[in-house]
Amino acid sequence: DQQVKQNSPSLSVQEGRISILNCDYTNSMFDYFLWYKKYPAEGPTFLISISSIKDKNEDGRFTVFLNKSAKHLSLHIVPSQPGDSAVYFCAASGGSGGSNYKLTFGKGTLLTVNP
Amino acid sequence: ETGVTQTPRHLVMGMTNKKSLKCEQHLGHNAMYWYKQSAKKPLELMFVYNFKEQTENNSVPSRFSPECPNSSHLFLHLHTLQPEDSALYLCASSQEGASGGDTQYFGPGTRLTVL
Repeated sequence: DQQVKQNSPSLSVQEGRISILNCDYTNSMFDYFLWYKKYPAEGPTFLISISSIKDKNEDGRFTVFLNKSAKHLSLHIVPSQPGDSAVYFCAASGGSGGSNYKLTFGKGTLLTVNP
Repeated sequence: ETGVTQTPRHLVMGMTNKKSLKCEQHLGHNAMYWYKQSAKKPLELMFVYNFKEQTENNSVPSRFSPECPNSSHLFLHLHTLQPEDSALYLCASSQEGASGGDTQYFGPGTRLTVL
């Protein structure tokens, strides 16, 4: 059973517009959430994270929103640029039993930003 | 020097070969990880090392043998692999793989093909 779900395999937006990538999770013990970006033939690059004590974290063009009651988080990119075209992974950690550092990843969403 | 490096970037091997993947991190971190990424699947955690000690083996077959001689270096020794082991193998490091809120930083990966 997937504990972190990215239900949209792909998303296409126009340059300059907002990109919204979504992620849902099922494990209520998760308390730390991250977004990674991955280009082909490269490893994932850390983008931004958020702790469960917050509902928003912003870093430049990237903002992550967390809705704990809905077990949902989203990554907003504004304005979107062609160089943002990549696969975006949502990941979560937390829980008990000494394994709270382990990251659980979603399958990723391919973002394409068209010029 | 970039944060986490991996060599080789590409590897083709036969099922009877023995090869090793190497990972090095220059971030001063104490935890290192091996992940496997197969097509259309989420990243799968394989092994975790904390302060050179293995703290996680995620039911990985014995044909994969990790080695962590110090906190900066991690190896994955491969022998008698199967074609289904073909995947992208990613190394990551984090400050301390024992608590939540710990961000992992990834290397570029080794693309492994088993013939």
